[in-house]
Amino acid sequence: AQTVTQSQPEMSVQEAETVTLSCTYDTSENNYYLFWYKQPPSRQMILVIRQEAYKQQNATENRFSVNFQKAAKSFSLKISDSQLGDTAMYFCAFMKQGHSGNTGKLIFGQGTTLQVKP
Amino acid sequence: EAQVTQNPRYLITVTGKKLTVTCSQNMNHEYMSWYRQDPGLGLRQIYYSMNVEVTDKGDVPEGYKVSRKEKRNFPLILESPSPNQTSLYFCASSPIVLAGVHNEQFFGPGTRLTVL
Repeated sequence: AQTVTQSQPEMSVQEAETVTLSCTYDTSENNYYLFWYKQPPSRQMILVIRQEAYKQQNATENRFSVNFQKAAKSFSLKISDSQLGDTAMYFCAFMKQGHSGNTGKLIFGQGTTLQVKP
Repeated sequence: EAQVTQNPRYLITVTGKKLTVTCSQNMNHEYMSWYRQDPGLGLRQIYYSMNVEVTDKGDVPEGYKVSRKEKRNFPLILESPSPNQTSLYFCASSPIVLAGVHNEQFFGPGTRLTVL
């Protein structure tokens, strides 16, 4: 069974600085996706960034980038130039790829609450 | 506007009183799913559906039922709610493509349920 672990329950960062959120996962699958979701106080789940395991290049989306280390099963999120609107809970998630045995299930980590301070 | 809607958004009820949380999507997605979110546990899948009349259990199905009579709707039914079902519930949907369930799932706004 797959598991996702976020070992930082809470983090804080000053506005305009850079912060990195950690995520590790465990799987025997070779083909999968990894995601970071943002949940602001509105509770809406917002997809921040996704990574396909077969791609060696790290995904980037504007100020958000990941460090994907497949062998180490590590998937960290870096937020550059942090903004007050980045204050939220962030979830790391895993999803198996392909048709065989794929239930479409997202397996989430425990979440990291990020506070951006002015 | 493409979206997933859930109703109600907030609900306080008492133990044993049957309730239904509705979920509807307007994107013609085959795949729909329910999750519950609890502090320190993240989100966990309750049930999912690959298409009309095709449903299956996720990781935490006890105490819940679902149905998928129409493609757009996927209600979550708690026939006898208990306090341990107090949680934040999310519905999600996604198309099914050649590679399987698409990797972008669209989430509803969430339903905060309190069972006294």
